[in-house]
Amino acid sequence: DQQVKQNSPSLSVQEGRISILNCDYTNSMFDYFLWYKKYPAEGPTFLISISSIKDKNEDGRFTVFLNKSAKHLSLHIVPSQPGDSAVYFCAASAGSPTGTYKYIFGTGTRLKVLA
Amino acid sequence: KAGVTQTPRYLIKTRGQQVTLSCSPISGHRSVSWYQQTPGQGLQFLFEYFSETQRNKGNFPGRFSGRQFSNSRSEMNVSTLELGDSALYLCASSLGDLGDEQYFGPGTRLTVT
Repeated sequence: DQQVKQNSPSLSVQEGRISILNCDYTNSMFDYFLWYKKYPAEGPTFLISISSIKDKNEDGRFTVFLNKSAKHLSLHIVPSQPGDSAVYFCAASAGSPTGTYKYIFGTGTRLKVLA
Repeated sequence: KAGVTQTPRYLIKTRGQQVTLSCSPISGHRSVSWYQQTPGQGLQFLFEYFSETQRNKGNFPGRFSGRQFSNSRSEMNVSTLELGDSALYLCASSLGDLGDEQYFGPGTRLTVT
């Protein structure tokens, strides 16, 4: 059962335009969400995060939006650059009374920014 | 600050063998998590170690095990390898609290023939 879903395996966007990557989750207990970017032959690198008490977090060209009622989050990249071409993973986590947690990752979306 | 290192980077094993992968976290990080990445499955959580104790476990069979040493370095072991175990195995380190950023290593590419 995939608790975190990225339904678009790939996305192509023209350089300078907006890239929108989507992620849906099923577990309403998730309270922390992250986006990672992964280049071939490298491990994922952290991009941006958002906690469930917010609906938007911005960091430069990257903005993450969270819609808790729809259990949906999205990553906006504006403007898109060729160097943004990579696989993007969203991840979700829930804290527990014991303080333990684990991150559940989506299957990834491959973004290609065309020059 | 040195990043997360994983050894070896590439490994080829045959079915039935066992394998041990190693991960050295960022200095000061006490949490190490292991993930399996296969095409179409994303990153699947294996387990997390914190201060030498397994703190969280994913839904993998008992053939997958791990441990963490007092210096926070971690090893992952897979026994009785199956063809389906071919994957990229990633480890990530963090300070260990919810919301702490995880820093990933480059991964170990395991091929089982």
